[in-house]
Amino acid sequence: NAGVTQTPKFRVLKTGQSMTLLCAQDMNHEYMYWYRQDPGMGLRLIHYSVGEGTTAKGEVPDGYNVSRLKKQNFLLGLESAAPSQTSVYFCASSGRTVCYFGPGTRLLVL
Amino acid sequence: AQSVTQLDSQVPVFEEAPVELRCNYSSSVSVYLFWYVQYPNQGLQLLLKYLSGSTLVKGINGFEAEFNKSQTSFHLRKPSVHISDTAEYFCAVSDLEGGSEKLVFGKGTKLTVNP
Repeated sequence: NAGVTQTPKFRVLKTGQSMTLLCAQDMNHEYMYWYRQDPGMGLRLIHYSVGEGTTAKGEVPDGYNVSRLKKQNFLLGLESAAPSQTSVYFCASSGRTVCYFGPGTRLLVL
Repeated sequence: AQSVTQLDSQVPVFEEAPVELRCNYSSSVSVYLFWYVQYPNQGLQLLLKYLSGSTLVKGINGFEAEFNKSQTSFHLRKPSVHISDTAEYFCAVSDLEGGSEKLVFGKGTKLTVNP
């Protein structure tokens, strides 16, 4: 039981490049979330999903897109990366009450 | 929408001293409350949670928190800290009325335990 895993662990992008962050969970959870963490800002919700095939915007959705084609996977896409998207990205999943977090992806946009 | 305020961004303490990390949330009909801990360069780990029942909640590593509905607070306490408790602590609230159970986080409190 791996819990929540994230790929990749670290990535460097140039401004304007695109990339996809992959989150996978093996706990059969309905809810999945993408957060970003910036110093002094805590964690802010980007997008979330309440089930396969559904997505919704969180607090800071601009510049990101998501897809939940399979229950166990939640993808976060950056179509045209900007330096303001330099951050640590955390994926989480939840069954009913408790969120379990992945180890994070550190993204640097130059 | 829910909001969470962690009143101290940094808390330095000496080893074996007691500590309290303060958290207030905006009022709502019903909420779930959580404390998470993040050690350097790691993900978030659940420390404890309040769902219902007793207002005093015990978690891992000797931490406990008290839910105070009238004060809309959920302060975290430990009677005697260790060097290994040095980490960042996040208070979070789950808005049950929202239906999606998404967590709203405070900005975090960095606890530094000095020898």
